[in-house]
Amino acid sequence: DIQMTQSPSAMSASVGDRVTITCRASQGINNYLAWFQQKPGTVPKRLIFTASTLESGVPSRFSGSGSGTDFTLTISGLQPEDFATYYCLQYSTYPWTFGQGTKVDIK
Amino acid sequence: QAQLVQSGSELKKPGASVKVSCKASGYTFTNYAVHWVRQAPRQGLEWLGRINTDTGDPTYARDFAGRVFFSVDRSVSTAFLQINGLKSEDTAVYFCVRSWVELCLGPRCVFDVWGPGTLVTVSS
Repeated sequence: DIQMTQSPSAMSASVGDRVTITCRASQGINNYLAWFQQKPGTVPKRLIFTASTLESGVPSRFSGSGSGTDFTLTISGLQPEDFATYYCLQYSTYPWTFGQGTKVDIK
Repeated sequence: QAQLVQSGSELKKPGASVKVSCKASGYTFTNYAVHWVRQAPRQGLEWLGRINTDTGDPTYARDFAGRVFFSVDRSVSTAFLQINGLKSEDTAVYFCVRSWVELCLGPRCVFDVWGPGTLVTVSS
């Protein structure tokens, strides 16, 4: 099974900060990586698919990069509504696997 | 628009079984696989597996094989998750999610539509 190691597990940040979250796959997954945002009590929302393609309607301050085994989600200029938990997902090979999540809270 | 509607919350005793439904609408049911993802309280997302709604072929995550079963009823565009031998650790919200039936890289290929989730509580 492909393991997805996501870091950090939690972080504190301020409005306006640049935030970077990483996911490392235990083996190459090409570009089969998606990022999701989840707020408490709600359904996860897809932000990015194919490693770097922004979901329609998602603000451009969100971006994704990487290929192979190392991937990054960047939020350029954190906004109050961005405080949430973020997950990566590899969908290259079954079983599909999520990262452990990164909780972004207010500093 | 595409939508997945799930059955309501369940309270079960340890050792019992539960069956959760996920009804699709607004799209061609057999073009998309249905995946099941769970989230225990204050925990992350966990993939249970998926079912090819066209062929009925299931794929299970290793930790759930033999205790979790997926099925579909194409006549009513509904997928089902059954968990046998429930344990307290199975207490979680269970989501159904769609993805294109074949591996691909486009927008329809991974988890673009989610069900609202079904809370399953296992308690004596």
